[in-house]
Amino acid sequence: GAVVSQHPSRVICKSGTSVKIECRSLDFQATTMFWYRQFPKQSLMLMATSNEGSKATYEQGVEKDKFLINHASLTLSTLTVTSAHPEDSSFYICSANWQGAGEQYFGPGTRLTVT
Amino acid sequence: AQTVTQSQPEMSVQEAETVTLSCTYDTSESDYYLFWYKQPPSRQMILVIRQEAYKQQNATENRFSVNFQKAAKSFSLKISDSQLGDAAMYFCAYRRWETSGSRLTFGEGTQLTVNP
Repeated sequence: GAVVSQHPSRVICKSGTSVKIECRSLDFQATTMFWYRQFPKQSLMLMATSNEGSKATYEQGVEKDKFLINHASLTLSTLTVTSAHPEDSSFYICSANWQGAGEQYFGPGTRLTVT
Repeated sequence: AQTVTQSQPEMSVQEAETVTLSCTYDTSESDYYLFWYKQPPSRQMILVIRQEAYKQQNATENRFSVNFQKAAKSFSLKISDSQLGDAAMYFCAYRRWETSGSRLTFGEGTQLTVNP
């Protein structure tokens, strides 16, 4: 089946620093990747949609200068949280699919803790 | 805009029994996908079952089946012979019928507990 990986699985960073999370499709070419944020016991909140080679489309209320998304290739998208603050601590999940695919395939998520 | 509603924040079931999770949605589209995803404590999202709206037959995957009522915009998930490993958060999700790039709209989730 289609496999999506995320790296790192957990990261702790200090307030004010930046952290990058990678999302890779391992056995398919992902024409579209999605980034979600999830707080404990809540649903997934879509942050942005990225298509390979073009700028990401951010959801309303998501700061694009704070959450930088790059979809540089058909197998890799990155989310960079810039100048992280404790309120950015959350679980970040990526998903991907290809043209014609019905469902999205999810990565295992990254737990970000900002101290 | 499409919305998905799961009215049961929590459900519990005895092992080996059957449980049904409810989901309703709102859309003006005629073609779309509906999904049930499971999120166990590991937090990995796992696809349980998928239904294309044009199909009249309800989807089935082993112990999991859906009751898809298109006119009523209802999409419930039935879990038969519940197992301890079924304990998880379950999300109902909607997606428009497009080739790709279409977002998933999730419900709020139902936390399922399976009692031994």
